[in-house]
Amino acid sequence: AQTVTQSQPEMSVQEAETVTLSCTYDTSESDYYLFWYKQPPSRQMILVIRQEAYKQQNATENRFSVNFQKAAKSFSLKISDSQLGDAAMYFCAYRTLGADGLTFGKGTHLIIQP
Amino acid sequence: DGGITQSPKYLFRKEGQNVTLSCEQNLNHDAMYWYRQDPGQGLRLIYYSQIVNDFQKGDIAEGYSVSREKKESFPLTVTSAQKNPTAFYLCASSIGQASLTYEQYFGPGTRLTVT
Repeated sequence: AQTVTQSQPEMSVQEAETVTLSCTYDTSESDYYLFWYKQPPSRQMILVIRQEAYKQQNATENRFSVNFQKAAKSFSLKISDSQLGDAAMYFCAYRTLGADGLTFGKGTHLIIQP
Repeated sequence: DGGITQSPKYLFRKEGQNVTLSCEQNLNHDAMYWYRQDPGQGLRLIYYSQIVNDFQKGDIAEGYSVSREKKESFPLTVTSAQKNPTAFYLCASSIGQASLTYEQYFGPGTRLTVT
């Protein structure tokens, strides 16, 4: 079974600084997708960024970028120029073709210090 | 605006009662999902449906039931057989399950408290 591990239950960063959230996963599949979702206090799940396993180029979305290391099965999220609105739970998720749904990690609580 | 609605936002029930959580989407998505979220946990899949009148059990289906009579609707019933029903429930949908690129869109969730 696939598993997703987020080893940092909580992270804190100063506003305008850069922070990196870690995620590792375990799979024997070669074709899959990885996602980072944000869950603010409203509890609405919002897709932040996604990465296709067969693409070597790391995905970027404005201030958000990933470091995808396929051999190491690592998928970290970097948030640059952190803003107060970035404060939330961040979940790493994995999906393979034919899977029932997404497999989620337990999340990292990101605190932004003003 | 297209999206997913879940109602109610908060739901309270007495132990031993069945309760149904609503999920409606107007995105014309084929696939719909129910997840459960507990404190300190990620989301776990309860049930999913790829097409109308068809649904499959997820990882934690025991004590839950669903129906998919319409494309737009995927209600979840939490039965009295669910031993620990108090949780946050999230509904999601995607265009289909056949492609990995189809991201899942989530509703705002329902917080169920059973006492």
